[in-house]
Amino acid sequence: NAGVTQTPKFQVLKTGQSMTLQCAQDMNHNSMYWYRQDPGMGLRLIYYSASEGTTDKGEVPNGYNVSRLNKREFSLRLESAAPSQTSVYFCASSVELGQNYGYTFGSGTRLTVV
Amino acid sequence: AQSVTQLGSHVSVSEGALVLLRCNYSSSVPPYLFWYVQYPNQGLQLLLKYTSAATLVKGINGFEAEFKKSETSFHLTKPSAHMRDAAEYFCAVSDSGSSNTGKLIFGQGTTLQVKP
Repeated sequence: NAGVTQTPKFQVLKTGQSMTLQCAQDMNHNSMYWYRQDPGMGLRLIYYSASEGTTDKGEVPNGYNVSRLNKREFSLRLESAAPSQTSVYFCASSVELGQNYGYTFGSGTRLTVV
Repeated sequence: AQSVTQLGSHVSVSEGALVLLRCNYSSSVPPYLFWYVQYPNQGLQLLLKYTSAATLVKGINGFEAEFKKSETSFHLTKPSAHMRDAAEYFCAVSDSGSSNTGKLIFGQGTTLQVKP
């Protein structure tokens, strides 16, 4: 099925551990995004990639790095996890602005840092 | 910078009653506006979107929203609530800036409770 695939769905990390969240889309979208969702704060943009080979910081980039490996894949890395990074992470991709503009979201990764 | 404010973090209605979820935005350019729904432990599902066509937008599950430029609002309504509408709802606005890529800016979310 076409869409955005995120792995893993659940993860528990110890403080200081590192991990990479994987995201892939098969809709040939140029733009991809990583958001985090916390209670009462909606979704906040961590990083985005407007096209293959480019990445830019969003609203809350500290503690994260990203890689746009190719047009399909956009990964998010936590180098040294902290309890404040406990959250639900969503990857998304989008078509360009216009009448067909819209996002497709992955199903999310629930991360707990202890 | 663009922003979105959802008035009321929790809204409670009786089954069969009108649903009204409020969203106000700020934008220096004509916006794209969205409403998403999130059921417990699930991802985000698009309800409807405004992309500068008709100001009254109809979405899935009987929801609709009206873009009012003079009030900078995009409130979500449904004439008659069902138990299955209980979920969290997010309003979002695109932040196009000078590029052709729109970063979505989300509101804080409104939890809709539907009472039997």
